Amino acid sequence: QVRLQESGPGLVKPSQTLSLTCTASGGSISDNNSYWSWIRQSPGKGLEWMGYIFHTGTTYYTPSFQGRLSISLDTSGVQFTLTLNSVTAADTAVYYCARGWREYDDPGARFDVWGQGTVVTVSS
Amino acid sequence: DVQMTQSPSTLSASVGDRVTITCRASQSIGNWLAWYQQKPGKAPQLLIYQASTSDIGVPSRFRGSGFGTEFTLTISSLQPDDFATYFCQQYNSYQWTFGQGTKVDIK
Repeated sequence: QVRLQESGPGLVKPSQTLSLTCTASGGSISDNNSYWSWIRQSPGKGLEWMGYIFHTGTTYYTPSFQGRLSISLDTSGVQFTLTLNSVTAADTAVYYCARGWREYDDPGARFDVWGQGTVVTVSS
Repeated sequence: DVQMTQSPSTLSASVGDRVTITCRASQSIGNWLAWYQQKPGKAPQLLIYQASTSDIGVPSRFRGSGFGTEFTLTISSLQPDDFATYFCQQYNSYQWTFGQGTKVDIK
């Protein structure tokens, strides 16, 4: 069973760029059922799915993050990275990476594997 | 996008109680609904998918039901380990959204 682990800075200054990495172990991220996602959780907004990357490099970002979010695959093939530009205090949250598992006939994905989460605070 | 509304927001119950949480979708989502359990300081864990299918290892006291716009998660006999927050999530389209959560605490 694949396991996920987030890493990155816990503190980011307003207007700067947040970068977080998710490392997968115990399995491949190169399968056709997995949508490697970032989800964040803040007290004010609950769980908020941000977007995904597929192993081919195809990405989807939700409208809330269009233009500010980028998700990329590392050349190692076991990591994917979130980059969020122009952060504000509203981006303070726990950030999770997760596997969206989509079976062939499903219209979308459920999240069956999660990292432990990493706390990010945006503050000067 | 599809809005998911859970009720109640908080539920106080005792060990052994039967507990029901409701999740309503702003439009029909078929049976493309998942339920998660989250304990403080931990990541959510998948309990149920496709409205009524239990994930591997989930105790049989957790049961999901519903179709279309109304769904329920029922815990048949609440155990001490079940005090947590529960979220629903729809995946009927390319945009996947969560409910705001229902906290089950000790009465």
